Amino acid sequence: AQSVTQLDSQVPVFEEAPVELRCNYSSSVSVYLFWYVQYPNQGLQLLLKYLSGSTLVKGINGFEAEFNKSQTSFHLRKPSVHISYTAEYFCAVLKTSYDKVIFGPGTSLSVIP
Amino acid sequence: DVKVTQSSRYLVKRTGEKVFLECVQDMDHENMFWYRQDPGLGLRLIYFSYDVKMKEKGDIPEGYSVSREKKERFSLILESASTNQTSMYLCASSSVRRDIPYEQYFGPGTRLTVT
Repeated sequence: AQSVTQLDSQVPVFEEAPVELRCNYSSSVSVYLFWYVQYPNQGLQLLLKYLSGSTLVKGINGFEAEFNKSQTSFHLRKPSVHISYTAEYFCAVLKTSYDKVIFGPGTSLSVIP
Repeated sequence: DVKVTQSSRYLVKRTGEKVFLECVQDMDHENMFWYRQDPGLGLRLIYFSYDVKMKEKGDIPEGYSVSREKKERFSLILESASTNQTSMYLCASSSVRRDIPYEQYFGPGTRLTVT
């Protein structure tokens, strides 16, 4: 069965420092990959997605992620974080054949002033 | 601006009550989904629908049912609420159009407490 692992449940980071949120998935077939963000008391919003093409994808607010097929990873990066980025971040995977999206357990990013 | 709305942000119900959670999307999306979100477990799919009057079980359908009588509306029903159904419930929709495949749009969530 397909699964998504987010290795860090909580990531504290100081404001203006860089951050990487890790995501690994298990799948032997081609996939679509997504990162969603959930701010407190809100629903999820799409940050970025990988469908095909360039393995480095850019999303909103300067976030970027790199698809690594050999390592089955899709890590999210931000060179400098702002306190407003404190939120829950979810990695998600969908097989390219029509299927359900599988979400990871989430990583709670806390930006410390 | 695309929008998914949920009928309530907060709801408190008693054990055994029948509970209705409503979700409406204004994007003419074919697909609609109900998830529950619990700390440390991420989002778990309860039910989804690919078209009007069609429904498919997700990973945790027990204790829930759904209804989709119109394309824009997807209802989640707790037939007899129990305390272990206390959770955040999220509705989402997506399109099968080639230019925006599978990207899901979420509502703000309903935090349900069953006492």
